[in-house]
Amino acid sequence: KQEVTQIPAALSVPEGENLVLNCSFTDSAIYNLQWFRQDPGKGLTSLLLIQSSQREQTSGRLNASLDKSSGRSTLYIAASQPGDSATYLCAANLYTGGFKTIFGAGTRLFVKA
Amino acid sequence: EAGVAQSPRYKIIEKRQSVAFWCNPISGHATLYWYQQILGQGPKLLIQFQNNGVVDDSQLPKDRFSAERLKGVDSTLKIQPAKLEDSAVYLCASSSLQYNSPLHFGNGTRLTVT
Repeated sequence: KQEVTQIPAALSVPEGENLVLNCSFTDSAIYNLQWFRQDPGKGLTSLLLIQSSQREQTSGRLNASLDKSSGRSTLYIAASQPGDSATYLCAANLYTGGFKTIFGAGTRLFVKA
Repeated sequence: EAGVAQSPRYKIIEKRQSVAFWCNPISGHATLYWYQQILGQGPKLLIQFQNNGVVDDSQLPKDRFSAERLKGVDSTLKIQPAKLEDSAVYLCASSSLQYNSPLHFGNGTRLTVT
């Protein structure tokens, strides 16, 4: 069964801390992986899309890496701020004869001022 | 650019009633998705359209759910009759390319079935 797992489920850190969110997937037939942010009562906002041929993507204080061989992606947030508090989800686009997108359940992040 | 528009934002119905959700994707986006998100879980794909054709509806409970995308732009998702377990947020998303461009989501419709 194809699964996407995110660890930890919840994380609370003080402002200014650098942090890493993890996403693991069980199928090596990954086409690309996308990281999203979801604020309470809102839809998902795309943060980074990383192709299977890439090792990492950067946007501002965010850096996402992808390791196909180990089935892992990490989202690194530098110098965290209270405004970063949200749920972060990863979604793996897998190709096994046809495309399928599978979302993780997310990591709920709280950054304390 | 204008984002993905969804309506209504909230809906409360009794079980066995029917309900419809509407989505207007970003202009020019050929691919449109409907997702169901249950509290504490990631979104689950219900149906994917490419223009006005269905690409994937393998997880759509077809005995009660239906969706259409006439003219390849707006889309509606209908539930009839609703069950208690249909209580969730229904998210619409669009993208310019299938699978190789970012997904853009609307704010969703929160459905409560009592």
